[in-house]
Amino acid sequence: ILNVEQSPQSLHVQEGDSTNFTCSFPSSNFYALHWYRWETAKSPEALFVMTLNGDEKKKGRISATLNTKEGYSYLYIKGSQPEDSATYLCAPSSGNTPLVFGKGTRLSVIA
Amino acid sequence: SAVISQKPSRDICQRGTSLTIQCQVDSQVTMMFWYRQQPGQSLTLIATANQGSEATYESGFVIDKFPISRPNLTFSTLTVSNMSPEDSSIYLCSVERTRAWGETQYFGPGTRLLVL
Repeated sequence: ILNVEQSPQSLHVQEGDSTNFTCSFPSSNFYALHWYRWETAKSPEALFVMTLNGDEKKKGRISATLNTKEGYSYLYIKGSQPEDSATYLCAPSSGNTPLVFGKGTRLSVIA
Repeated sequence: SAVISQKPSRDICQRGTSLTIQCQVDSQVTMMFWYRQQPGQSLTLIATANQGSEATYESGFVIDKFPISRPNLTFSTLTVSNMSPEDSSIYLCSVERTRAWGETQYFGPGTRLLVL
């Protein structure tokens, strides 16, 4: 699956603000949508894998939704903290590896 | 999950030289992947390395520039040959794992390369 777009490219928010960003992908041949968080000097960490239209996943203050018909996913962070500062990557897949990633959204949370 | 280590974690190299990056996994895996992220770009797949066969390279990447070894099911190396400043990137190895929802990938911590 090509043409993965993530927006915005970068984002600066104040501590305590809530924020969200978007992953857009072609809806054809879709099987799953992967979200990763990549902190500086660490390994990209898998956050969510979503497969069903309308699916919503939550992990602490982070949640994600999926619309497979229109080809997008939103990632939400509630009450951002400095430790949320990272690059958030999405990768839609047809069910097989290797994954193809978007350019990511770089989030900076200012204390 | 999978525990993946890479060496070196970072390096500064002169143009024209070569650097070999090592990737070690804590369990046997069939497929290992090498990615790079150039500044401001997406995480881009370089090649897929299966044990016992030649690596499969993506469009824009060639074996002479990025030779890969896969001597066993827990180890792989990627060499960046005849380096130029454009090769300055973060290089990551990755392995797949089968989960209930299908295949997913785990990543090493990356090798940060600066070519002068």
